[in-house]
Amino acid sequence: EVQLVESGGGLVQPGGSLRLSCAVSGFGFSHNFMSWVRQAPGKGLEWVAKINPDGSGTYYVDSVKGRFTISRDNAKNSLSLQMDNLRAEDTALYYCATEIWFRFDFWGQGVLVTVSS
Amino acid sequence: QSALTQPPSASGSPGQSVTISCTGPSSDVDISDYVSWYQQYPGKAPKLIIYEVTKRPSGVPDRFSGSKSGNTASLTVSGLQADDEADYYCSSNTASGNVVFGGGTKLTVL
Repeated sequence: EVQLVESGGGLVQPGGSLRLSCAVSGFGFSHNFMSWVRQAPGKGLEWVAKINPDGSGTYYVDSVKGRFTISRDNAKNSLSLQMDNLRAEDTALYYCATEIWFRFDFWGQGVLVTVSS
Repeated sequence: QSALTQPPSASGSPGQSVTISCTGPSSDVDISDYVSWYQQYPGKAPKLIIYEVTKRPSGVPDRFSGSKSGNTASLTVSGLQADDEADYYCSSNTASGNVVFGGGTKLTVL
């Protein structure tokens, strides 16, 4: 059974930082792209970032470029998202998801990030 | 990176069919052959129900079908059932290799 479990969310002030983690099991983690997708309260889905299997290639939505960094540890089947200089508009439920040819087959349960003073 | 365009709502009675459209807004976000559709219940993670325009993952009923014409993809739900009431999102890849979602469609079963 494929499982993705996110952690690390919480309340942070504008300009602050958070690091999200996603533990993956039951899936060929090291052979696949991984992504973060977020959903602001009451809003739709927004793809945020993805990383290729060996970690050498990363891709971001324009609104987070230069502030967010996606990384992975294939030895630990773990995905991370370092979020710096957070803004109110980054408030959302963040999902990690497996990505195969631009589709997201498996999703975590999501972790909430709230940016507020 | 502009979102794909979906109608905000759709509805149908049990047993009927309903079709939800998904349109690429510009040449940078053409609807490709990598269109996917997701079903999301309130408080739950999205679930992949269609990928590569027409393919269904294992376990997804064949009442769900996908198609594409020009720059518009469509999801058709046939034989509507009460538990089809959910939000539906399309997605596609962009010219730069990223992914963009539609704004979502709330499907109501009357």
